[in-house]
Amino acid sequence: DSGVTQTPKHLITATGQRVTLRCSPRSGDLSVYWYQQSLDQGLQFLIQYYNGEERAKGNILERFSAQQFPDLHSELNLSSLELGDSALYFCASSVLARDNEQFFGPGTRLTVL
Amino acid sequence: SQQGEEDPQALSIQEGENATMNCSYKTSINNLQWYRQNSGRGLVHLILIRSNEREKHSGRLRVTLDTSKKSSSLLITASRAADTASYFCATATAYNAGNMLTFGGGTRLMVKP
Repeated sequence: DSGVTQTPKHLITATGQRVTLRCSPRSGDLSVYWYQQSLDQGLQFLIQYYNGEERAKGNILERFSAQQFPDLHSELNLSSLELGDSALYFCASSVLARDNEQFFGPGTRLTVL
Repeated sequence: SQQGEEDPQALSIQEGENATMNCSYKTSINNLQWYRQNSGRGLVHLILIRSNEREKHSGRLRVTLDTSKKSSSLLITASRAADTASYFCATATAYNAGNMLTFGGGTRLMVKP
C-alpha cells in the first residue's frame, strides 16, 4: 500500500459525459501527479500540482482539467468523453516538487461506452 | 511520446534464474526510477538512481546507470514466481520545472515455478 488513495476504482460512462476522479496523496506529500495508461499510448504524464499550484503540464487534452485543494487532495475532471479516453488513470504523490520518488495510487479504470 | 525504450519487451525465465531488463532514454536526466506493475494494478516504486550514481542495490535488485550511453539496467537475482509483472523505467529529465516522469514501454517478465 503506497498511501495514495484514488476513487472510484472503476467508472463506466457514456460518450459525451463528464467525470471526476479523486486522489488523496500520502500524508506530508505536497506534490500530486496525474498519469494516463492506455494500450496504445502507454503511460503518459498529464499534469502536476505542487502545494495547490500547477507545476508542469504534459499531454493533457483541453477537455481535461485538474486542481489541487487546500487539503492537498486533487481532482481530475474529464469532459466530453470519447471512446479513446478509456484508460487507467493514476495519481502519484511525492514530498517535493522534483528529484524524488513518486508513489502511485491503485488507479481508476475508466471505460467510455 | 515515450522517452525510454525497454528491452526486451517480454522475458520468460525459470524460478531461481536472474532477470535483466534494459532501458534506454534520449535526453539528459535528473534521475531514473524503476517501477513494477502487476496486471492492471498500480505501480510499485522499486528504486531510484540519480544521474551522478552508477549503481544501486536494494535487496535482490541491482540497478546500473550509464549516462554516457543513456541507458540503465535492472537485474533481479534469484527470481521468484511472485516477481511476475511488468517492469517500467521512468526518467525525470533535467529540463523540467516539475518532476514529471516519462515512462518506457515496459518489460513483461514471467517467472515460471
